[in-house]
Amino acid sequence: DAMVIQNPRYQVTQFGKPVTLSCSQTLNHNVMYWYQQKSSQAPKLLFHYYDKDFNNEADTPDNFQSRRPNTSFCFLDIRSPGLGDTAMYLCATSRAIQGTDTQYFGPGTRLTVL
Amino acid sequence: AQSVTQLDSHVSVSEGTPVLLRCNYSSSYSPSLFWYVQHPNKGLQLLLKYTSAATLVKGINGFEAEFKKSETSFHLTKPSAHMSDAAEYFCVVRPTDSWGKLQFGAGTQVVVTP
Repeated sequence: DAMVIQNPRYQVTQFGKPVTLSCSQTLNHNVMYWYQQKSSQAPKLLFHYYDKDFNNEADTPDNFQSRRPNTSFCFLDIRSPGLGDTAMYLCATSRAIQGTDTQYFGPGTRLTVL
Repeated sequence: AQSVTQLDSHVSVSEGTPVLLRCNYSSSYSPSLFWYVQHPNKGLQLLLKYTSAATLVKGINGFEAEFKKSETSFHLTKPSAHMSDAAEYFCVVRPTDSWGKLQFGAGTQVVVTP
């Protein structure tokens, strides 16, 4: 089945210790997104890639970066995690960026910063 | 500009009774509207979407929603709740004809009692 896969599903890191979250997709979609979802809140878009074009949301902290080495993979790097970065991180994909295009979400990585 | 208001933060229903989750939207553009469901510690799963075709949209797992432009509403219904419907539900709006990030409602937590 075509899908969006995230690894790891759970990650615990220490304050200030860099961490990388991984997302892969078998849908061959052009667009990949990273969202942050804190407890009992809606997801918040951090950035997205349209092919190799990177688009950062204005309020995404500089601490958060992303890489997309090929169509299938996208990584979220948190350079110096703070306690406030504890959250679920969701990867999503869509075929294109038009409003009618559905975004398909992965299962998420739950990150805990101690 | 666009926004979404989910009118109930929590809904409790008995198994076998109807479910109604209310959503009102505001959009300067012709909107695409989505309902996503999120089970605990899982990603978001698309239930259904409206993209200016039929106003009554049928989704997965017996859910359906009706787009009412005059009321700017997109309420989600299911005739008979199942225990597995216990989850968080998000109403989402996006402009149909151009790039626009998903605008999420605050979510409705559904509890199903035996």
